[in-house]
Order: sequence, then structure tokens, then C-alpha cells
Amino acid sequence: AQTVTQSQPEMSVQEAETVTLSCTYDTSENNYYLFWYKQPPSRQMILVIRQEAYKQQNATENRFSVNFQKAAKSFSLKISDSQLGDTAMYFCAFSPPSGAGSYQLTFGKGTKLSVIP
Amino acid sequence: EAQVTQNPRYLITVTGKKLTVTCSQNMNHEYMSWYRQDPGLGLRQIYYSMNVEVTDKGDVPEGYKVSRKEKRNFPLILESPSPNQTSLYFCASSLGAGPHYEQYFGPGTRLTVT
Repeated sequence: AQTVTQSQPEMSVQEAETVTLSCTYDTSENNYYLFWYKQPPSRQMILVIRQEAYKQQNATENRFSVNFQKAAKSFSLKISDSQLGDTAMYFCAFSPPSGAGSYQLTFGKGTKLSVIP
Repeated sequence: EAQVTQNPRYLITVTGKKLTVTCSQNMNHEYMSWYRQDPGLGLRQIYYSMNVEVTDKGDVPEGYKVSRKEKRNFPLILESPSPNQTSLYFCASSLGAGPHYEQYFGPGTRLTVT
């Protein structure tokens, strides 16, 4: 079974600064997908970024980028130019490749990020 | 507007009183699932459905039932709720089953069982 670990329960960052959230995972799969989801106080789950394990290039979405280290099974999220609207709980999630039986996301326990004005 | 809706958004009930949380999507998605979110545990999958009349257990199915009689609806049923089912519940849907397809989440249902 896959496990996803987020070792930072809470973090804070000054507005306009950069912050990195860490995530490690454990799997015996060679091909898989990793995600970061954002859950603001509204509770809505929002997909931030997705990385496919067979792609060496790190995914980027505007101010959000990842540092994917496959050998180390590490998948950190970097938020640049932090904004007040980035205040949220962030979840790292793992997915096996499609066709591998049941499809489900395995989530980490989350990191609560506070952006300070 | 493409969306996943859940009702009710908040529910307080008593132990043993059957309840249903509805989930509906208007995107013609084949795959739907239910998660529960608990502090310090993240989200855990309860049940999922690959298509109409096709459902299967996730990681924490005990105490829950689901049905998928129509493509758009995927209700979560608690036949005899207990306090350990107090949680935040999310329904999600995607066009297909697989990580290529983005999962769309509903707004969540906060359930309290006393």
C-alpha cells in the first residue's frame, strides 16, 4: 500500500515571500501520479498541480512549482510571491496509474499554511 | 456551471438515526467517490463507483452504503450512524477512473453524530 507523509503540520510565510511544503511517499510502483490540493477556509478542494512520475521535468503552474525527486520519493511544493489567498490547508496526494485496479487518491495528513501580511 | 453538489452542507443527528447525504454532478462524469476528512488523518476514501450500478469499497467503508442508480447521483447512506462517523465528507467525480482525469470535489458536508 502507498503512504504519503507530510511532516510539517503547520507553516507560515510572509506575504510576497517564498515557501516550500514537503511531501514524501512510499510506493513500489514505477509509474504513478502526484498531486497537490489546496483547501482554503471555504473547505473546497482545489487541484493546484499534478506531476507524472515518468516525466523528469518538474511541473509548474504560475506561482506554484514542484521539486520532484523520484529516487528520494520526494515531492515538495514551492509557492513563490505568497499571497494572502494562499492561506489554506495543502494536501499532497498519490495515485497509481490508470488500469491498476481500483483508482483512488491516497492523501497525506495536510500542512496548514498561513500567509502573514 | 459545471459542479458537484452535496446536501446537506451541515447535519447534526443522533446515534442510530438513518441518514443520506446526496451527491450530484452535472458533468456526465463516470467516476464518483466519497471521502471523509478527519483532523490529522487527511482524506480517506469510503466508496467509489466506476459507472452506473458499479460500486466498490475504498479504505474505510464500514458503516456506510452507497448506490449508483443514475450516472449523476451517488448518495452516501449511513444506516445507523455512530459518533465515530462525525466527520467532514466530500464527494468527488471525474470523467473517468484514472489520474489523467481531474477530480472535482463537492463543497463538503459537515456531519455531527451525538
